[in-house]
Amino acid sequence: DAGVIQSPRHEVTEMGQEVTLRCKPISGHNSLFWYRQTMMRGLELLIYFNNNVPIDDSGMPEDRFSAKMPNASFSTLKIQPSEPRDSAVYFCASRPSLIGGWGELFFGEGSRLTVL
Amino acid sequence: KQEVTQIPAALSVPEGENLVLNCSFTDSAIYNLQWFRQDPGKGLTSLLLIQSSQREQTSGRLNASLDKSSGRSTLYIAASQPGDSATYLCAVTTQDGGSQGNLIFGKGTKLSVKP
Repeated sequence: DAGVIQSPRHEVTEMGQEVTLRCKPISGHNSLFWYRQTMMRGLELLIYFNNNVPIDDSGMPEDRFSAKMPNASFSTLKIQPSEPRDSAVYFCASRPSLIGGWGELFFGEGSRLTVL
Repeated sequence: KQEVTQIPAALSVPEGENLVLNCSFTDSAIYNLQWFRQDPGKGLTSLLLIQSSQREQTSGRLNASLDKSSGRSTLYIAASQPGDSATYLCAVTTQDGGSQGNLIFGKGTKLSVKP
């Protein structure tokens, strides 16, 4: 398997523009996470899905952020409008469910976002 | 609410030394605990996953142990090498029924192995 695939790897945009980050989880994994990482705040959970259903979105900063998972093989994280403080590395991760628990979590390589 | 703590925040050791990284968690109701490594500017790489029914896992020079009752895990690195320099993070998957397997991360220990 190719692992968790994220795109774009790098994005530079201007304040006010819409940003869409994409993630393809590992095939067969039914749990997907979006994280944001900055030097100041470390690794922050934004939202996670189980079986394409959002379970906990309490980490989504505000209404400018939205995430969707229309099917088991694709998820998007959208920021509209973007602001300089959104500059960070955004990670997607996925894992399988197991009988009575959860399997190993695998991360993508991240999308580095810079908002000017 | 589950909290995960990693102490120390940073550690520097000479090459060849055996070392232990610590991870503690406040709620023993977990599904599993996972150790990750992160190199600067890179993503997180999974090192070891310990299910709640297990006591330890080994991979090469790495050995991770889990003591659920005391809320502790350790990552043992044998014969450390400069290439082991990275930030090591632990994460637990909670059994909190409302969260359906939420994953809580510690803030990591930054390891530097000096040649």
